[in-house]
Amino acid sequence: NAGVTQTPKFRILKIGQSMTLQCTQDMNHNYMYWYRQDPGMGLKLIYYSVGAGITDKGEVPNGYNVSRSTTEDFPLRLELAAPSQTSVYFCASSHPRITNEKLFFGSGTQLSVL
Amino acid sequence: DAKTTQPPSMDCAEGRAANLPCNHSTISGNEYVYWYRQIHSQGPQYIIHGLKNNETNEMASLIITEDRKSSTLILPHATLRDTAVYYCIVRGTGNQFYFGTGTSLTVIP
Repeated sequence: NAGVTQTPKFRILKIGQSMTLQCTQDMNHNYMYWYRQDPGMGLKLIYYSVGAGITDKGEVPNGYNVSRSTTEDFPLRLELAAPSQTSVYFCASSHPRITNEKLFFGSGTQLSVL
Repeated sequence: DAKTTQPPSMDCAEGRAANLPCNHSTISGNEYVYWYRQIHSQGPQYIIHGLKNNETNEMASLIITEDRKSSTLILPHATLRDTAVYYCIVRGTGNQFYFGTGTSLTVIP
């Protein structure tokens, strides 16, 4: 059971480039989340989804886009990368009945924008 | 959703109980309290959660005051592997979990 898988683990971008952070889960969880964590800080919620075709903004959505075409996948898109987006990105999933709302996290993607 | 307040850091001697406090004075009646921890730069790990009764599992105990305005996470016999950042989160009827800055616990040999 792979759980929540994030790719890539590390990435360096130049200012203005774009990329997609991939997140997939094999636990049939309907809720999925994207967080970012700046050095020495807590996690900030970027976007979340309660099911395929449904997404909503969290605390810090500016500069990001998401889509949820399947239950398993929840990619995060960065358009026009900026140095302020240098961070560690975590994807998480949960299910109200399967996990009693407990979040399961991926191992993170460390992104540097130079 | 209610906000939480935690001390930024705490120390605990190995083998002793670690008591991590959390204030959530604006919590409402249907909001749960969750605790997670993050070791190094790994993804956070679920520890325990509760609504108003005290809870215990294999990892920890959660004590919630009668007025529900604060709670304490207890690690009964702290080990060096419990050194981590501990997050107290109040989750409401929405589906969002908002993490604060947490408490950095250092277990001292």
